Amino acid sequence: GENVEQHPSTLSVQEGDSAVIKCTYSDSASNYFPWYKQELGKGPQLIIDIRSNVGEKKDQRIAVTLNKTAKHFSLHITETQPEDSAVYFCAASIRLAGGSNYKLTFGKGTLLTVNP
Amino acid sequence: NAGVTQTPKFRILKIGQSMTLQCTQDMNHNYMYWYRQDPGMGLKLIYYSVGAGITDKGEVPNGYNVSRSTTEDFPLRLELAAPSQTSVYFCASSYDPWKSTDTQYFGPGTRLTVL
Repeated sequence: GENVEQHPSTLSVQEGDSAVIKCTYSDSASNYFPWYKQELGKGPQLIIDIRSNVGEKKDQRIAVTLNKTAKHFSLHITETQPEDSAVYFCAASIRLAGGSNYKLTFGKGTLLTVNP
Repeated sequence: NAGVTQTPKFRILKIGQSMTLQCTQDMNHNYMYWYRQDPGMGLKLIYYSVGAGITDKGEVPNGYNVSRSTTEDFPLRLELAAPSQTSVYFCASSYDPWKSTDTQYFGPGTRLTVL
């Protein structure tokens, strides 16, 4: 089955610096890669996603890059702010075996701390 | 829209007790999921449902049961609570799982402790 590895597990940066979180996936059939942000005591919320036919996508201070050949994708946050502090999860979508539905496999998460 | 709502927010159970975690979505989504989140372990899929009356097992279904009598509701049942079920439980929903780019929307979670 699909395996998603996420690194680092914790990341501490100074306000204004950039933060990069990396994920690798095992199944070359994966074609959709969302990123979720989970604030303390809340459920994960989608912040950005990328499809396999695109190499990069940006939304203000966040961007995601995808390297299909190497099977890895990354989240980039520029000009970090204290409110960016949260746990970030990557995920990969894979078609369920024997069916036509898809499911997400999640990485284990990265705790990002932005120090003022 | 309220999105995905879950009740209760917190619960403490004794070993062997049973309970039902409630999940409701008002986005008319076909697909609903239950995940558990253990510290440092990410999200593990317990059960999912592709529509009313249809459910299927995820990665970690043992000790749980689900039902889907309506499009809106997807309750998760623990029959004999065990300490290993101490976790945070998230319900999620999505519109079209037959599309590879289907996005999941999560509820706020239920923190369950079994003592």
